[in-house]
Amino acid sequence: GAVVSQHPSWVICKSGTSVKIECRSLDFQATTMFWYRQFPKQSLMLMATSNEGSKATYEQGVEKDKFLINHASLTLSTLTVTSAHPEDSSFYICSARAGTGDYTQYFGPGTRLTVL
Amino acid sequence: AQSVTQLDSHVSVSEGTPVLLRCNYSSSYSPSLFWYVQHPNKGLQLLLKYTSAATLVKGINGFEAEFKKSETSFHLTKPSAHMSDAAEYFCVVTWQGSNTGKLIFGQGTTLQVKP
Repeated sequence: GAVVSQHPSWVICKSGTSVKIECRSLDFQATTMFWYRQFPKQSLMLMATSNEGSKATYEQGVEKDKFLINHASLTLSTLTVTSAHPEDSSFYICSARAGTGDYTQYFGPGTRLTVL
Repeated sequence: AQSVTQLDSHVSVSEGTPVLLRCNYSSSYSPSLFWYVQHPNKGLQLLLKYTSAATLVKGINGFEAEFKKSETSFHLTKPSAHMSDAAEYFCVVTWQGSNTGKLIFGQGTTLQVKP
């Protein structure tokens, strides 16, 4: 149980285009989903927290107009990287939390974004 | 403030020998503690978690960790390393009662397993 999927697993795009990444909880309802970014050989950096039906809460320094997050249902959150540039190339990982009282986050397999 | 320190950035063991990955935490509140493992270009997999029940926690793949409040530690151990254990390991803390559920990550420990 507690499986989280991400799609796509990798994507290559041209500079200036937008890319959407989906995060799904497959066998549980996720009241809260999180988006992280990970640079090579580094730990995860939290970008934003999203609750179903609410606006996402972004961490300091994360541009909310560049990284659009939508959490339209209890099993789906999307991250759209708008007008992507090479510096946005990274490994993006989502996680999902089942509900209050349980702080365990279950992570997706990640999406490798390369912007040319 | 909450923080996590993984005391070793890199640990190397021989296959079949014990593994010890060290983690110390700082938390003003009752902590929930986790160990995750990440293989290259993969997401994080939950190994085990402590949430104020038994202080010795058993996880998957033969790993276990002991919560020691007096030492503010949550070290990860395994009696006998396997080649497939080679990966990056993250010690993670959050605090019970947190409204956001944000996780605080350690910097990671790379485990190398030599044949």
